[in-house]
Amino acid sequence: NAGVTQTPKFRILKIGQSMTLQCAQDMNHNYMYWYRQDPGMGLKLIYYSVGAGITDKGEVPNGYNVSRSTTEDFPLRLELAAPSQTSVYFCASSYGVGPQHFGDGTRLSIL
Amino acid sequence: DQQVKQNSPSLSVQEGRISILNCDYTNSMFDYFLWYKKYPAEGPTFLISISSIKDKNEDGRFTVFLNKSAKHLSLHIVPSQPGDSAVYFCAASDASGGSYIPTFGRGTSLIVHP
Repeated sequence: NAGVTQTPKFRILKIGQSMTLQCAQDMNHNYMYWYRQDPGMGLKLIYYSVGAGITDKGEVPNGYNVSRSTTEDFPLRLELAAPSQTSVYFCASSYGVGPQHFGDGTRLSIL
Repeated sequence: DQQVKQNSPSLSVQEGRISILNCDYTNSMFDYFLWYKKYPAEGPTFLISISSIKDKNEDGRFTVFLNKSAKHLSLHIVPSQPGDSAVYFCAASDASGGSYIPTFGRGTSLIVHP
């Protein structure tokens, strides 16, 4: 099983550009999450979803959008990229309260 | 305001000795706690968990202790091995309240010297 797959692994964006970070899981998990991790900081929740068609804001949602049209996929959209969005982004999934399974992250730099 | 605190950013231990990583929380509604391990350039991986109905959970070399009255948990690794060198995150959630969304600490970087 692939688990949680994130693409791309690395990306450099210019200020004002847009992009979509892809996340797919093959474990039939109902919950999916997007986090960002800044240096020396923990994981901050951007958005989460408890099932297809349902999304909700986390701690730091500004500047991001998500959609969950299928159980498997949970893309994260950055509109009008800003330097403050330079970070490592992790997607995760879980079955309810169970442990989260994480992807290997997307390193995003905005210059 | 951090609800889950890992006050030691780093810890250095000799191979074969015990590593003790600490985590404090402020939200008394938290009743499910997890530890994750993260290697560079990889995502965190689940290590061990404990619910508030227990005060100890073991899995091989890893043991988590929970002190509810002190709102404190600790992860013990015995014996420590160089491959245990990683960042360890503590996470907590209010599972019985229906919130499956964990709150993470900032992590502790463990270095195990051969």
